[in-house]
Amino acid sequence: DVKVTQSSRYLVKRTGEKVFLECVQDMDHENMFWYRQDPGLGLRLIYFSYDVKMKEKGDIPEGYSVSREKKERFSLILESASTNQTSMYLCASSFLAGGNTDTQYFGPGTRLTVL
Amino acid sequence: AQKVTQAQTEISVVEKEDVTLDCVYETRDTTYYLFWYKQPPSGELVFLIRRNSFDEQNEISGRYSWNFQKSTSSFNFTITASQVVDSAVYFCALSESGGGADGLTFGKGTHLIIQP
Repeated sequence: DVKVTQSSRYLVKRTGEKVFLECVQDMDHENMFWYRQDPGLGLRLIYFSYDVKMKEKGDIPEGYSVSREKKERFSLILESASTNQTSMYLCASSFLAGGNTDTQYFGPGTRLTVL
Repeated sequence: AQKVTQAQTEISVVEKEDVTLDCVYETRDTTYYLFWYKQPPSGELVFLIRRNSFDEQNEISGRYSWNFQKSTSSFNFTITASQVVDSAVYFCALSESGGGADGLTFGKGTHLIIQP
């Protein structure tokens, strides 16, 4: 079974704080993704990575950065948290299927509240 | 640009009724992938199905079935004899073949409520 874990289920931070959200997968997947989910907007892609130290911007990268130092771990960083970053953050991973799109498997999510 | 539309924001049915969740997509690519995910109240997205654009066969898995029609750009999901445990938010998603990592474009989801 694919296992994607996220460091926290719930997190409360203050405006201006630096926030780290951690994601770990145990299936040796090459690809990892960060999405945010907001009511009425569905899921939107923030960043993704297809290899260690590689990263690509998604649809809404502003205000975020990422780090991938090891294959199994992908971190989302909020350099200076703002209230509009209050959201549910979902991490996913998949195989790099040689030109095809493989299934993405999701973690349980981190509900972040920025006060 | 790719887009997924789930026009039904919320559907409420009584247990044992059949229910169909609609999904309409837009893409310029001839090769693409469609997905359905279920998000129960616990929050974790659960993968249900993946279908590529070259395979228009309908699929049935127990009480679940999917109808893929390229002519109408639709990939609808039907639950037969619904049960309370089917209550969840369901997302349809699209990915264009990019030769590498590919983020999914999600619809806004349909909240399905099954009443006992």
